[in-house]
Amino acid sequence: AQKITQTQPGMFVQEKEAVTLDCTYDTSDPSYGLFWYKQPSSGEMIFLIYQGSYDQQNATEGRYSLNFQKARKSANLVISASQLGDSAMYFCAMREGDSWGKFQFGAGTQVVVTP
Amino acid sequence: GAGVSQSPSNKVTEKGKDVELRCDPISGHTALYWYRQSLGQGLEFLIYFQGNSAPDKSGLPSDRFSAERTGGSVSTLTIQRTQQEDSAVYLCASSPRTGAQFFGPGTRLTVL
Repeated sequence: AQKITQTQPGMFVQEKEAVTLDCTYDTSDPSYGLFWYKQPSSGEMIFLIYQGSYDQQNATEGRYSLNFQKARKSANLVISASQLGDSAMYFCAMREGDSWGKFQFGAGTQVVVTP
Repeated sequence: GAGVSQSPSNKVTEKGKDVELRCDPISGHTALYWYRQSLGQGLEFLIYFQGNSAPDKSGLPSDRFSAERTGGSVSTLTIQRTQQEDSAVYLCASSPRTGAQFFGPGTRLTVL
């Protein structure tokens, strides 16, 4: 069964606008971590942001924030003030368990930022 | 360097030949992962080493694929009798016991 679901295969956003990338997950483990990665056309996978299942506050890293809704099992990524360099594939991932958990990745969302 | 390194960056081989791909994880990271990514696709999990435990090989697509990790550090992914469908980018990542995994630049494998 798919554990991470990203329902938006692709989206366009105008420069300087905010964009929300959807991610839902499925787990029965009370302890897990949620991650977002960016993969530009160059191919490298870049870690963006992390949210732990016990964290009380939503994670933020610069222009990236994670809208964590635990009851809905949702971990959406919000990119504020989009820049042309934000054009990339974005992957949501989950790691179950307190430690040593395997990572599960979603199918990704392709974001294109337009001038 | 401080990051995950992979070699070679590019590998072109003929169908039927064996290839070895190498991954050097971040020092101190005890978990190591191999993924495969075909053009325009998501990540396909291959194998996962965690500490001193037996590796999780559940993602290996066939018995032509194998991997080992020596001394809890460097890992080698071996593909025997390569096929054209093996052409992809092979990504290695490492992580500490908890937290994010960090990826290497990948090895682009082309099987002619």
